[in-house]
Amino acid sequence: KQEVTQIPAALSVPEGENLVLNCSFTDSAIYNLQWFRQDPGKGLTSLLLIQSSQREQTSGRLNASLDKSSGRSTLYIAASQPGDSATYLCAVRRSGNTPLVFGKGTRLSVIA
Amino acid sequence: GAVVSQHPSRVICKSGTSVKIECRSLDFQATTMFWYRQFPKQSLMLMATSNEGSKATYEQGVEKDKFLINHASLTLSTLTVTSAHPEDSSFYICSARSGLVGGETQYFGPGTRLLVL
Repeated sequence: KQEVTQIPAALSVPEGENLVLNCSFTDSAIYNLQWFRQDPGKGLTSLLLIQSSQREQTSGRLNASLDKSSGRSTLYIAASQPGDSATYLCAVRRSGNTPLVFGKGTRLSVIA
Repeated sequence: GAVVSQHPSRVICKSGTSVKIECRSLDFQATTMFWYRQFPKQSLMLMATSNEGSKATYEQGVEKDKFLINHASLTLSTLTVTSAHPEDSSFYICSARSGLVGGETQYFGPGTRLLVL
């Protein structure tokens, strides 16, 4: 059974700092990996999706990498802002027909 | 992008009553819908997968008689929490996926906060 782990569970950084969030998964046979953002009491916002054949995806200040063979992904946030404060969730899918399996998330606080 | 709505966004009910949560895909036909549950500071846990016109497939440990799922149309799935108890209080999030080729992306609803007193 696929298990997704995210480290750290919580992170607090000063504004402007670059930071890295980590995600690992036990079964490397994935179809794709997705990073989401969740604000308190809200639903999910998709940030980046990496197909299994890709090594990274970028969107603005966000960059996600994927090392499928080692079962790892990182989400890099450049020049963090207070508005980046949220919980970041990593999720993987085994195939196109199977549902996403989520990690517990990293709660990020960016302090002005 | 595709939009998924949920109703209600928040519900408070007494123990022993039943609560129905609706999930709608607004601009696409969702052949598959997923229901997740999220406890405070925990991740989303998949409860069940439903395909339009078929019975839902429940994950291990999820009581199908307690969490009734109906996916009667391509745009609507409902989750009914029967005889709700305080331990059922949680954040319920639905997700929808189209049946088109390349339509494996899951689109998520905004969630429903259930509080059982």
